Amino acid sequence: AQSVTQPDIHITVSEGASLELRCNYSYGATPYLFWYVQSPGQGLQLLLKYFSGDTLVQGIKGFEAEFKRSQSSFNLRKPSVHWSDAAEYFCAVGPMEYGNKLVFGAGTILRVKS
Amino acid sequence: NAGVTQTPKFRVLKTGQSMTLLCAQDMNHEYMYWYRQDPGMGLRLIHYSVGEGTTAKGEVPDGYNVSRLKKQNFLLGLESAAPSQTSVYFCASSYPVLVPSGANVLTFGAGSRLTVL
Repeated sequence: AQSVTQPDIHITVSEGASLELRCNYSYGATPYLFWYVQSPGQGLQLLLKYFSGDTLVQGIKGFEAEFKRSQSSFNLRKPSVHWSDAAEYFCAVGPMEYGNKLVFGAGTILRVKS
Repeated sequence: NAGVTQTPKFRVLKTGQSMTLLCAQDMNHEYMYWYRQDPGMGLRLIHYSVGEGTTAKGEVPDGYNVSRLKKQNFLLGLESAAPSQTSVYFCASSYPVLVPSGANVLTFGAGSRLTVL
């Protein structure tokens, strides 16, 4: 069965520091991978996605993620964190066909200290 | 663009009461979904629909019913609410198939927070 693991429940970084959020997945075929962000009291917003091709994908708000098939990972990175990046981040995996039924990780809460 | 609209945003119920959450989308999406979000568990799929008049069970369907009488609306019902159903519920919609352009990824509503006492 497909699954997504986000090992870090909480992460705290200083403003201006770099960030890496980890995501590992288990999936029987080539997965489609996503990162979503949820600000407090808001819905989920798509940050970036990987379908195929270049394994380093760029997203909105200066985020990027790298797909590593050998490690079954899709880690999210940002070179310099801003206070407004404080939110909860979800990694998700899904199939191409039949209904886009994404499986989500448990989420990582990012705190940014000034 | 309204996107995906959920009503109500907040609701408090007593155990055993019933209620319906409404999801409406204006993007002409074929597929619609209901997820619940609980701390430390991410989002779990309750039910989904691949088109008007069709519904299917997701990962955690027990205690919920859904209906998709119109393409733009997807209703989630709780017939007899239980404290275990206290959660934040998210509706989402999409086109049927992911394509590299990414135009048809899931679009989420803002959520409905339900508390069952």
